[in-house]
Amino acid sequence: EVQLLESGGGLVQPGGSLRLSCAASGFTFSTSAMSWVRQAPGKGLQWVSSISGSGGSTYYADSVRGRFTISRDNSKNTLYLQMNSLRAEDTAVYFCAKVIVAGSYYFDYWGQGTLVTVSS
Amino acid sequence: DIQMTQSPSSVSASVGDRVTITCRASQGISSWLAWYQQKPGKAPKLLIYAASTLQRGVPSRFSGSGSGTDFTLTISSLQPEDFATYYCQQANSFPLTFGGGTKVEIK
Repeated sequence: EVQLLESGGGLVQPGGSLRLSCAASGFTFSTSAMSWVRQAPGKGLQWVSSISGSGGSTYYADSVRGRFTISRDNSKNTLYLQMNSLRAEDTAVYFCAKVIVAGSYYFDYWGQGTLVTVSS
Repeated sequence: DIQMTQSPSSVSASVGDRVTITCRASQGISSWLAWYQQKPGKAPKLLIYAASTLQRGVPSRFSGSGSGTDFTLTISSLQPEDFATYYCQQANSFPLTFGGGTKVEIK
């Protein structure tokens, strides 16, 4: 059974940093592209970042490029999102999601989400 | 960036009704489109990808069609568990983008 379990969310002040983790199991993590998608309170879904299975290719939304870094540790079956220079508008539930097949960025499995609140 | 526009933003329907949701891309995306269902407090669930391919385990009352810029999600006979918010997503190019969502409510 595929499982994705996010952690690391919480309350942080504007300008602060946070690292999210997503522990994966039930599939071959090292060959699966992964992504982060967020949802601000009461709002729709927004793609944040994606990474290839090897970690050699990364992609970012313009709104987070230069502030967020996606990475993965295939030996630990874990996906990360390092978030720096956080802003109020980054407040959201952050979901990690598994890409259905390489090259087709549809998300077939999602974690339960972790809430990030940026506020003073 | 490719903008995805869903309509309507909300729809009221009864159990057994046929419901159609549309999604329009700001430029052609071939068949690189997915549909997701999301219930309050839950993660989205993939229903359809590649515009018309039903994800494993999804009931056959859900169907998708379209290519290029215009797409539809149809629920042939609405069931109580289908009341939720539905999102389209383009996978043609980065940045990946979602539609604004369509909330299916009980009439």
